[in-house]
Amino acid sequence: DAKTTQPNSMESNEEEPVHLPCNHSTISGTDYIHWYRQLPSQGPEYVIHGLTSNVNNRMASLAIAEDRKSSTLILHRATLRDAAVYYCIGGTSYGKLTFGQGTILTVHP
Amino acid sequence: DTEVTQTPKHLVMGMTNKKSLKCEQHMGHRAMYWYKQKAKKPPELMFVYSYEKLSINESVPSRFSPECPNSSLLNLHLHALQPEDSALYLCASSQVERGRVGYTFGSGTRLTVV
Repeated sequence: DAKTTQPNSMESNEEEPVHLPCNHSTISGTDYIHWYRQLPSQGPEYVIHGLTSNVNNRMASLAIAEDRKSSTLILHRATLRDAAVYYCIGGTSYGKLTFGQGTILTVHP
Repeated sequence: DTEVTQTPKHLVMGMTNKKSLKCEQHMGHRAMYWYKQKAKKPPELMFVYSYEKLSINESVPSRFSPECPNSSLLNLHLHALQPEDSALYLCASSQVERGRVGYTFGSGTRLTVV
């Protein structure tokens, strides 16, 4: 499984964009990059995933480096409800997700 | 229905008890997973079922016994647990696409072993 490295914590102000980085330098060429977030006392929630091209959905955007060794999750306008632990998962070998330590995102009003 | 439902939400059990956790989904997903999450730690994979067959066991102690009776249900049978097994147990499901699709998680069962 690809090892991921994320900052332990990040802070943002409400209604500002947030860029959450992730390094996954050992990812294989066929493994997807997943992002999940977890609010307190809840299960992880799927945010977005991609392989090579940048991806957009209603929640966020995912920018993947050309060499695939890193990616950035972009929340275009942070809200207080976006405060959570964000997990980047670089690689899902044999159909399993292996979580890294994640980034705790704090959003200030 | 786009949810994974886990029951019970909370469970307290003694070390000599036998209990079961239940997970249910009706999204037609044929892969289901059990994760264990200790406080302030990331979820750790325990088991993976693919087409109702156990495909991955992450060296989990035998006091945890998974079961997948049909494509919608996943159980985790617990017996002779230790206090250190207290944790949030999460169930997830996905299509069997080896990571090409997103996974859906339940809210978990918070287990306390006394």
